[in-house]
Amino acid sequence: AQTVTQSQPEMSVQEAETVTLSCTYDTSESNYYLFWYKQPPSRQMILVIRQEAYKQQNATENRFSVNFQKAAKSFSLKISDSQLGDTAMYFCAFMKQGGSNYKLTFGKGTLLTVNP
Amino acid sequence: DGGITQSPKYLFRKEGQNVTLSCEQNLNHDAMYWYRQDPGQGLRLIYYSQIVNDFQKGDIAEGYSVSREKKESFPLTVTSAQKNPTAFYLCASSIWVGEQFFGPGTRLTVL
Repeated sequence: AQTVTQSQPEMSVQEAETVTLSCTYDTSESNYYLFWYKQPPSRQMILVIRQEAYKQQNATENRFSVNFQKAAKSFSLKISDSQLGDTAMYFCAFMKQGGSNYKLTFGKGTLLTVNP
Repeated sequence: DGGITQSPKYLFRKEGQNVTLSCEQNLNHDAMYWYRQDPGQGLRLIYYSQIVNDFQKGDIAEGYSVSREKKESFPLTVTSAQKNPTAFYLCASSIWVGEQFFGPGTRLTVL
């Protein structure tokens, strides 16, 4: 079974600064996907970024980038130029590639507050 | 606009009652999922379905039931056997292994 650990229950950052959210996972699988989802106060889950484990290059989406360390089983999210709208709960999630289902395993989340 | 709808947004249940949460998608996705979210917890999988007329239990299926009679619809019934049903429920769908798209959620409260 896979587990996903987010060790920072809460974080805060000043507007325009950079913040990094941590995520580690445990799996015996070689092929998998990792995701960061954002849940703002509206509670709508929104995909922020996706990483395929077979890709060595770290994924980036505008101000969001990841640091994927496969050997260390680490998948951190960096948010650059933080904006007030980035205030949300952020969830790291794991999905095994292949097999019979597309199950996501989530961490418990990190509540990020961006301060003006 | 394509998307996932969940209804109602808020639902109140008396103890001993069954209630059904609706989830509809017009994204033509084959797979659909139900998650439960509690304070301080991540999302936990209740049930999932990869094809019409087929579904599987997730990690916390006890006290819940589902059906998948149509591709677009995946209703979740919270039965009286669920001892602690007060939670936020999220429905999701996907077309392939990868991104899951989520609905806006239903907040269920037991009175």
